[in-house]
Amino acid sequence: GPKVLQIPSHQIIDMGQMVTLNCDPVSNHLYFYWYKQILGQQMEFLVNFYNGKVMEKSKLFKDQFSVERPDGSYFTLKIQPTALEDSAVYFCASSFPGQGALEVFFGKGTRLTVV
Amino acid sequence: GDQVKQSPSALSLQEGTNSALRCNFSIATTTVQWFLQNPRGSLMNLFYLVPGTKENGRLKSTFNSKESYSTLHIRDAQLEDSGTYFCAADYGGSGNKLIFGTGTLLSVKP
Repeated sequence: GPKVLQIPSHQIIDMGQMVTLNCDPVSNHLYFYWYKQILGQQMEFLVNFYNGKVMEKSKLFKDQFSVERPDGSYFTLKIQPTALEDSAVYFCASSFPGQGALEVFFGKGTRLTVV
Repeated sequence: GDQVKQSPSALSLQEGTNSALRCNFSIATTTVQWFLQNPRGSLMNLFYLVPGTKENGRLKSTFNSKESYSTLHIRDAQLEDSGTYFCAADYGGSGNKLIFGTGTLLSVKP
């Protein structure tokens, strides 16, 4: 199926530092998403992004989080500053706009460890 | 939360047997997706459903929007079917937003 690429696969960072997670969505997709999964738990929606703007964000999308996709580059999730509770696997996803709802494809995730 | 309830939470199957997983929705949803998360954490798309039934090999899934549930049937379970199965409801807001269930951890034994 369509591939969403995430870089890096693992990241260890000191608490208080900034981290940027990178995502290369499926090439013709226009909706982009970030989800968070704490080990052993369900996936939780963070934010969706379309046409250069955040469309909706959840309560988990703290003020320290931001997303962007400068033209032709990665869709990124930046956390500044990081906190211990930000440790989780972050999944990027994308979908193609069309009539009705949209099938969403996920990357393999970036495991973030804040120490 | 409890907007998408999955059952059972864990399941152990003998190779070659059949089983069914279920999701109940307490939110209005127009489509459902089923995923398999392997032990390394990668998510594989299994089904994308509007109301109705789809079949793919040994897997069959049904989404009944009127009664707000979806099922995933596994026939002739194989060792490689092991992993965590998630259903997710499309909860339409400003864009697409998937609300995930808590997952069913399936272990297939020889």
